[in-house]
Amino acid sequence: GAVVSQHPSRVICKSGTSVKIECRSLDFQATTMFWYRQFPKQSLMLMATSNEGSKATYEQGVEKDKFLINHASLTLSTLTVTSAHPEDSSFYICSASPGQGHTDTQYFGPGTRLTVL
Amino acid sequence: AQSVAQPEDQVNVAEGNPLTVKCTYSVSGNPYLFWYVQYPNRGLQFLLKYITGDNLVKGSYGFEAEFNKSQTSFHLKKPSALVSDSALYFCAVRDRGGDKIIFGKGTRLHILP
Repeated sequence: GAVVSQHPSRVICKSGTSVKIECRSLDFQATTMFWYRQFPKQSLMLMATSNEGSKATYEQGVEKDKFLINHASLTLSTLTVTSAHPEDSSFYICSASPGQGHTDTQYFGPGTRLTVL
Repeated sequence: AQSVAQPEDQVNVAEGNPLTVKCTYSVSGNPYLFWYVQYPNRGLQFLLKYITGDNLVKGSYGFEAEFNKSQTSFHLKKPSALVSDSALYFCAVRDRGGDKIIFGKGTRLHILP
């Protein structure tokens, strides 16, 4: 149980285009999902907290107009990288918790590697 | 502000030997503590967590971690390492008032055959 999927697993796009990444909780409902970014040989950096039915909460320094997050249902959150540039190339990982309690474990998706040419 | 420190970038252990991956934290109050493992080009897999109770927590794949409040540490341990344990390990902390998890920078574990 507690499986989180991401699609696509890998995407290559041209500079200036937009890319959408999907995060799905397959066997549980997630009121809250999280989006992280990981640079090579570095830790995960939280980008934003995605709340079902409301606006996402972005971390300081993350451009909300560039990284659009939509959490339309209890099992799906999407991250759209708008007007992507080479510096946006990274490994994007989402996570979700099965419940709302603070003791709940976050389960992570397999990640999406974005390469912007 | 809460933070997590993993002092070792890399740990090398011979197969069959015990392993320890260190983690210390800084957070107000009593935190929730986690260990995750990441294999190449993959997301993170949950290993174990400390919420309350027994300081020794047992998790997946034979791993365990010991919560030490006085030393603010949560070191990951395994009695006998396997080559397949080679991966990147992340310690993480979450304070009891919020839902955000803060990750350490990670420790790469190499198990030598």
